Order: sequence, then C-alpha cells, then structure tokens
Amino acid sequence: AQKVTQAQTEISVVEKEDVTLDCVYETRDTTYYLFWYKQPPSGELVFLIRRNSFDEQNEISGRYSWNFQKSTSSFNFTITASQVVDSAVYFCALSEADGATNKLIFGTGTLLAVQP
Amino acid sequence: AAGVIQSPRHLIKEKRETATLKCYPIPRHDTVYWYQQGPGQDPQFLISFYEKMQSDKGSIPDRFSAQQFSDYHSELNMSSLELGDSALYFCASSLGRDTRDTIYFGEGSWLTVV
Repeated sequence: AQKVTQAQTEISVVEKEDVTLDCVYETRDTTYYLFWYKQPPSGELVFLIRRNSFDEQNEISGRYSWNFQKSTSSFNFTITASQVVDSAVYFCALSEADGATNKLIFGTGTLLAVQP
Repeated sequence: AAGVIQSPRHLIKEKRETATLKCYPIPRHDTVYWYQQGPGQDPQFLISFYEKMQSDKGSIPDRFSAQQFSDYHSELNMSSLELGDSALYFCASSLGRDTRDTIYFGEGSWLTVV
C-alpha cells in the first residue's frame, strides 16, 4: 500500500536559518509522482513542486530545493534562509493511480514556525 | 491565472442540517476531486469526477453525495450533518486524471457544525 511519512510534526527555526523537511514514501508502483504542498494559516493548499519517479535530479527554485532519492524512498525539501512568511504546514504527497483516477496520498504534514 | 473557486468559504450549520459546497475548476480542467481535512489532520480523498462521471471514491460517508455538471463545476451535498463533519473541504482539479497531471486545490470551504 502507498504511504507517506513525515516524521517531523513540528519544527521551529529562527529567521535566516536553513531548514529541511523530511518525507519518506512507500509504493509498489514503478511510476509515481511526488508533490509538496504548502498550507499557510489561511488554509489554502498551495502547490510547490511535482517530481516523477524517473527523474532523480535535484531541483532548486529560489530559496527552495528538493532532494529526491529513490534508493532511500525520500523526497526532502529544504528552505534556505527561512523567512517568517515560510511559516506554514508543509505536506508531502504521493500520487496513486491504482484506481480509475489520480488521487493524492498525503503525509501528516510538518508545521514549520519561523521566528523573527 | 485562474484557480479553483470554491463557495462558500465559510459555512455554519446545525446538526442534522444539510449543506452544499460548490466548486468551479480551473478552465479546461476535466477532473474534479473533493478532499476533507479535519482539524490537525492531512487531507483525505472523498470522491472524484472525470468528464462528469464519478471516477473514484474514497472515504466519503453515505450521507454525502456529489456530482459534476455539464459546465464541469461540481457540488458536494452533505446531509444529516454531524459534529464530526466539521472540517475544511477542498475541491481540486486537474487537466486529465493521469498520475502525471498536477492537482491544484482551491482555497477550501470551512464547515462548522454546531
């Protein structure tokens, strides 16, 4: 069965620190997609990145970077020089396609608090 | 760019009442999903539609029903509301229903049952 584990329930950092959010997944599919979503206090779910199972290149987008390693089934997310606006719950998700449609399996989320 | 539009954003209902949530997907998106997120929990998949037909069903209670209309908007109907139905309900959409298709979420509808 597919499963996403975010072992860090809550992380608190001081502004300008770097922080890494961990995500470990389980799947028997050979083709799958991994996602990160951000949920700020206002509640909306904001799409950050999608990575397919055949592309293990790391990705950098501004202060955000993602490290995908199939060997350890991990898809970690690093924020460099964190800012107060980064405070949110971050969800890692796995795209499951064993049914008739695409649907997401979410991890339990990591609450990131960035203190000024 | 246009996003997924949900209404109402906030809703307060009493136990045993009925509530209807509406969702307008991103233009040209043919697949709609509904998710429920309880307090402090991760979003849970309820149901999805592709080209106006139900395509998959998750942990949706029998008291809930949903449909997708000819203009691709979707409605989630919830009857005999219970306190435990209080949650943030997300609608999401994608262009296609393949795992390659990114799912974009709306801002959510907060339902409070009192």
